[in-house]
Amino acid sequence: KQEVTQIPAALSVPEGENLVLNCSFTDSAIYNLQWFRQDPGKGLTSLLLIQSSQREQTSGRLNASLDKSSGRSTLYIAASQPGDSATYLCAVKGGSEKLVFGKGTKLTVNP
Amino acid sequence: DVKVTQSSRYLVKRTGEKVFLECVQDMDHENMFWYRQDPGLGLRLIYFSYDVKMKEKGDIPEGYSVSREKKERFSLILESASTNQTSMYLCASSLVSPSLNQPQHFGDGTRLSIL
Repeated sequence: KQEVTQIPAALSVPEGENLVLNCSFTDSAIYNLQWFRQDPGKGLTSLLLIQSSQREQTSGRLNASLDKSSGRSTLYIAASQPGDSATYLCAVKGGSEKLVFGKGTKLTVNP
Repeated sequence: DVKVTQSSRYLVKRTGEKVFLECVQDMDHENMFWYRQDPGLGLRLIYFSYDVKMKEKGDIPEGYSVSREKKERFSLILESASTNQTSMYLCASSLVSPSLNQPQHFGDGTRLSIL
């Protein structure tokens, strides 16, 4: 059974810092990995989707990498801002349309 | 942009009531999903539908049922609400793809409290 782990559960950084969020998964047979952002009391906003054949995807200040063989993904946020404060979730898709989610990393960017 | 709309942001119901949560998407997506999200447990899939009138159980279907009479609408039904169903409920949709490489898009969630 696929398990997704995100460490740390919470992270606090000063504004302007570059940071990395980690995601690991136990079964490397995935079709893609998706990173989401969730603001308090809200739904999930899709940030990036990396297909299993890709190594990374970029969107603005965000860069997500995927190492399928080692079961790891990272989300790199450059020049962090207070508006980046949110919970970041990763999810993997295996042999069906279902996603398996990690429990998220709560990021706080302090002004 | 994909729009997934959940009918209520907040809902308060009483134990034993039959509760309907509604979700509508405007992008002609075949797949629709219902999740619940609880502190410490993360997101868990309740039910999944891949076409009109088609459904598949997720990880925690007990106490819930679903209805998909039209492609754009997916309803979650709590047959007899209980306090342990107090949670944040999230609906999502996605396109079918042979390569399973379409993203899921989420609504804003419904915070349901059962008293």
